[in-house]
Order: sequence, then C-alpha cells, then structure tokens
Amino acid sequence: GQQLNQSPQSMFIQEGEDVSMNCTSSSIFNTWLWYKQDPGEGPVLLIALYKAGELTSNGRLTAQFGITRKDSFLNISASIPSDVGIYFCAGRESGGGADGLTFGKGTHLIIQP
Amino acid sequence: NAGVTQTPKFRILKIGQSMTLQCAQDMNHNYMYWYRQDPGMGLKLIYYSVGAGITDKGEVPNGYNVSRSTTEDFPLRLELAAPSQTSVYFCASSYRRRGRYTEAFFGQGTRLTVV
Repeated sequence: GQQLNQSPQSMFIQEGEDVSMNCTSSSIFNTWLWYKQDPGEGPVLLIALYKAGELTSNGRLTAQFGITRKDSFLNISASIPSDVGIYFCAGRESGGGADGLTFGKGTHLIIQP
Repeated sequence: NAGVTQTPKFRILKIGQSMTLQCAQDMNHNYMYWYRQDPGMGLKLIYYSVGAGITDKGEVPNGYNVSRSTTEDFPLRLELAAPSQTSVYFCASSYRRRGRYTEAFFGQGTRLTVV
C-alpha cells in the first residue's frame, strides 16, 4: 500500500504555543484530510483539502495542500488544553476507489501545564 | 442526530470465539467502512460497501466478513477470533453520488481484546 509519513510522532508543548505537523507521501494525492481523535472516541474531521496549494483555516487550525501534491501541513495557533489528542492526516489518490484513503500514524499532542 | 453508532464499546473474546460488531448510521449515507486501529498505527481499511447488497475487501480483510442488507447497517463478523485481531475497530460512513460527497464520519469505536 501507499506510505504516508507523519511527523512528529509526538509533541510536548506549553499552552499558548503554536504547533506544526506534516505528512508526506510516496505518491500524488488529490485529497488531503486532517482528523483529530480524542481518547476513547473516533476520529473527527478537522479540515479537508482538495486542490494543490490550497490553504484552509478552521478557527485556530490552518492546513495546506502542498504544491507537489505529496505533502500537507497542519498548524495550530495558540494551543489550549482541549487541543490535546492524536492528529491524523489522510490522503486519497486520484481515482482512489470507494475509499482510497491512506492514513498516517498520527501525531500525539500533549500540552504541558 | 446519532450519526454512526457502534456496539458494543468493549468486548473480550476467547481465542476461537466468534462475534459480530454492529454499526448503524442514520444519515442516509450510501458508503460505509470498517477500519481497525492498532496502537501507534494509522487506520487500516478492512471492508467497505458502496450500497446495500454490495461489499468489497479493503487492505486487511482476512479473518473478517461483512454484509450490507440495508443502507443503515453494516455489521462486521469475526468467525474465529485470534489474538492478532485485538484492536480498536471503527465504523464510518460517507455520501457519494453524482459529484456530491461528504468525507467519512466515524463511530466511537469498539475496543476488542482476544485472549
């Protein structure tokens, strides 16, 4: 299957700091998605990107679809305690079937008091 | 609006036992999916369905079966449970038709342990 490299694996930050994470793929995607998973819950969609170069915001979250179509970035500004969780990227190839989603392994965000 | 509902939330099985994980959605979505999530890993697709009566294998289908007799329900069956099937299972649904689509909505998951 396709490979998605998501980094960093985990982040320990102070409340109020900005956060950056990214995903890179070995192939070209036509869709990039960012999900958040809280403990004991299912993933919840944060941002969807459908066009190379697209920059989309959702509150304090901003994500970008890389120009090469092989990467995507998620930034969180001024982190707060409820941002704690696991963030997953997912990409879909062109013509990627009914699902065609490949998920990254996740970035575990921990906010230190 | 319940969204995607999975039952049970937790289950412990003995090796060789069988069980069915239930999934129901009330959003009239035509696509449904089963994923498994192992510690430190991303989600892996087990099976998916594009509509009632139609199912297809995903990346990791061995040891599982599914059926889709209605639009709302998409149960996942484990016939002979093995320790390698210890995982968290997520059901998801989405809508795709004539250029209109939504991305997947996920249930809360079923945490399964096989001992």
